[in-house]
Amino acid sequence: AQSVTQPDIHITVSEGASLELRCNYSYGATPYLFWYVQSPGQGLQLLLKYFSGDTLVQGIKGFEAEFKRSQSSFNLRKPSVHWSDAAEYFCAVVPMNRDDKIIFGKGTRLHILP
Amino acid sequence: DAGVTQSPTHLIKTRGQQVTLRCSPKSGHDTVSWYQQALGQGPQFIFQYYEEEERQRGNFPDRFSGHQFPNYSSELNVNALLLGDSALYLCASSLDRGRTEAFFGQGTRLTVV
Repeated sequence: AQSVTQPDIHITVSEGASLELRCNYSYGATPYLFWYVQSPGQGLQLLLKYFSGDTLVQGIKGFEAEFKRSQSSFNLRKPSVHWSDAAEYFCAVVPMNRDDKIIFGKGTRLHILP
Repeated sequence: DAGVTQSPTHLIKTRGQQVTLRCSPKSGHDTVSWYQQALGQGPQFIFQYYEEEERQRGNFPDRFSGHQFPNYSSELNVNALLLGDSALYLCASSLDRGRTEAFFGQGTRLTVV
């Protein structure tokens, strides 16, 4: 079945430490790939996107993500987290078939230790 | 650019009532999609409007309906509200039926009591 999987429901890291959030998808063709961030009670903000080309994508707020076709993964990384990065992170895809709707993972809640 | 705006931000309704949520897309965007986000879950696609027509629909009952106006703004209507309809409703706007990045509004928090 087509799906987006974020295996970590919660992740806790210390401020200043590096971060990697995992995302795997299962679609026949490479979909469009996104990472969104959501602060409590807020809407979704786009961090970065991958449509084609360079597999290492730079986004806002110092985030980057790497697309690995062989692993069907699109992991989000940040070299040094800040307390303000505490939020919910959603990996999302737009399957490149007739459906253009966004399919979201269940999210990873990031907690930052001072 | 005001971005995507949704109204109201919060509302409380009673079971069985009807509700209308509104969305104004980002300037220049012609496609509006609606998502339901239950507490602790990722957003779930409800439907998408393009050229004033419903182009796609997710797995939601007919109690959920919508409309898109000539200025591309949109409404989401939910009839016969159930307690399970309590959620954050997000509107997303994009170009070209969603084949580009989508911009989300802040959402409408609906509580059904």
